[in-house]
Amino acid sequence: GQQLNQSPQSMFIQEGEDVSMNCTSSSIFNTWLWYKQDPGEGPVLLIALYKAGELTSNGRLTAQFGITRKDSFLNISASIPSDVGIYFCAGHSNSGYALNFGKGTSLLVTP
Amino acid sequence: DSGVTQTPKHLITATGQRVTLRCSPRSGDLSVYWYQQSLDQGLQFLIQYYNGEERAKGNILERFSAQQFPDLHSELNLSSLELGDSALYFCASRGGGPPYEQYFGPGTRLTVT
Repeated sequence: GQQLNQSPQSMFIQEGEDVSMNCTSSSIFNTWLWYKQDPGEGPVLLIALYKAGELTSNGRLTAQFGITRKDSFLNISASIPSDVGIYFCAGHSNSGYALNFGKGTSLLVTP
Repeated sequence: DSGVTQTPKHLITATGQRVTLRCSPRSGDLSVYWYQQSLDQGLQFLIQYYNGEERAKGNILERFSAQQFPDLHSELNLSSLELGDSALYFCASRGGGPPYEQYFGPGTRLTVT
């Protein structure tokens, strides 16, 4: 599969702070997805992006599909303790739509 | 709740054994994907089925196989198990057309001792 580089690897922030993480690919993707995973659980879909330049929000989460189609970012505003978890970017370039995943960003939020 | 179900939740078995993991996709979804999640490799795509037929293969070992049945549930068979096969195994399902979003099940944690 294609390599996705996700950064940062981990973040330790205070409640109320904004968070930004990003993902880059070595090749062009047609779809970018952002998932959150809690320990021992399956990834939960947060946001899906389908067009270059697209900016999509889901509550306090905002994600963008990069113009080059090789990158995406996720912002979380006014973080709260329940935002704790691992965030994964994923994308595909249409080959059966199998997803390539980043290594994840581990987010810790202190009250 | 994603609507995707997986059984069992946990599985502990010995090296050399064979196990079967089961997945039921969301109602109406025709595609099932299997992924393996390990600490060192992250989430890796294994294999995809669409309406009973194999569509794509990823990093799936020859000791592993899968199938999708007429009722669209899928099974992942892992044989000649090795310690390194210990991991979380997820299935995800997707509808037949756009949007191309995949919804994941809760996973099966396999421990090989």
